[in-house]
Amino acid sequence: DTAVSQTPKYLVTQMGNDKSIKCEQNLGHDTMYWYKQDSKKFLKIMFSYNNKELIINETVPNRFSPKSPDKAHLNLHINSLELGDSAVYFCASSQGGLTLQTQYFGPGTRLLVL
Amino acid sequence: AQKITQTQPGMFVQEKEAVTLDCTYDTSDPSYGLFWYKQPSSGEMIFLIYQGSYDQQNATEGRYSLNFQKARKSANLVISASQLGDSAMYFCAMSLGGTSYGKLTFGQGTILTVHP
Repeated sequence: DTAVSQTPKYLVTQMGNDKSIKCEQNLGHDTMYWYKQDSKKFLKIMFSYNNKELIINETVPNRFSPKSPDKAHLNLHINSLELGDSAVYFCASSQGGLTLQTQYFGPGTRLLVL
Repeated sequence: AQKITQTQPGMFVQEKEAVTLDCTYDTSDPSYGLFWYKQPSSGEMIFLIYQGSYDQQNATEGRYSLNFQKARKSANLVISASQLGDSAMYFCAMSLGGTSYGKLTFGQGTILTVHP
């Protein structure tokens, strides 16, 4: 059973298009995250949701809009894609709350904007 | 603000030998957690080991151990008896307690190559 899954795994699209990445976790976790890994492999938090509520938004352009329909799902919609959006996007989840918990990552979505 | 530094862009080790990957951190928060993740060439992020700031003993998980030196603010990963499959990028990360909701701050990563 896959703990944290993402679809699609690969996404190749043209500049200016709108695309979505979906994430699902079956761990029963309360908190979900989106991270971006750039071409130099640097990982940075983008968003975090706790029980469907947005709790972290790390100066991400408005073109990125996360949505959490329920605790087990966190989707990322990107409008008007730009070349600089090309990266690997990772979803992660943890038990969350105010205690320190391990985050488990999905396999990543490799986005290439042409 | 918290910061994680990994000063070794690349490391080489002979199969079956031990290797230490360095990680230093900076935070003024007394409650924090330190994590190591492995990213093989296939791209997934694999959790390896966790150390809490209040833990009295160094964490161990199989061949992985974390050399936690609080006064020096270092959290080095030690891999014993290296295997070819250990070749990967390794990331040190930190999260703070309280209202940060576990946001992970990552270091730059270290590429480990295990030679036969």
